[in-house]
Amino acid sequence: NAGVMQNPRHLVRRRGQEARLRCSPMKGHSHVYWYRQLPEEGLKFMVYLQKENIIDESGMPKERFSAEFPKEGPSILRIQQVVRGDSAAYFCASSQGGDSPLHFGNGTRLTVT
Amino acid sequence: GENVEQHPSTLSVQEGDSAVIKCTYSDSASNYFPWYKQELGKRPQLIIDIRSNVGEKKDQRIAVTLNKTAKHFSLHITETQPEDSAVYFCAASTSNSGYALNFGKGTSLLVTP
Repeated sequence: NAGVMQNPRHLVRRRGQEARLRCSPMKGHSHVYWYRQLPEEGLKFMVYLQKENIIDESGMPKERFSAEFPKEGPSILRIQQVVRGDSAAYFCASSQGGDSPLHFGNGTRLTVT
Repeated sequence: GENVEQHPSTLSVQEGDSAVIKCTYSDSASNYFPWYKQELGKRPQLIIDIRSNVGEKKDQRIAVTLNKTAKHFSLHITETQPEDSAVYFCAASTSNSGYALNFGKGTSLLVTP
């Protein structure tokens, strides 16, 4: 059973470009969570999605950031017009729902130059 | 929202000694408390979790205790080994939030031979 798959592992973007981060949950998992981790800091909750629905986006910046989890395909975290402050590791986690454990992917390390 | 405080931020112990990391949380509705271990450049991995109907849980050299009245929980690692060196994160969540985890800022544990 493959774990949570994230790609790309590393992404370099120039200021003003768009970044698209992908996450395929573990098989059988329908709940997806995105977290951001700045260097030497903890994991900050961004958004929680189920298939075709955003359940909680209280951690998402109001502008430039969006997320989706379509009926088919991976969950996508999209950052428009990236700025240097967006440089971070973005982790996706998935679960079966309820209080079942969250399993994390290997993350996407975004660098904005 | 939930606020999770974690102490200490760094901890250095000698191999064979015990290590204790403490966390407090603010939302009395929180009922699920996992601990994650993150090695440098890698994904967070679940090492143990506890639910609010249990006061203590043990898995080999790792144990977690929960005091719901005081709203704090702790991770205990006995007979530490160099491979235990990593950053450890506590987290808390509630069913109200779809079990989206709120993380502490992490404890960097160094076990010296």
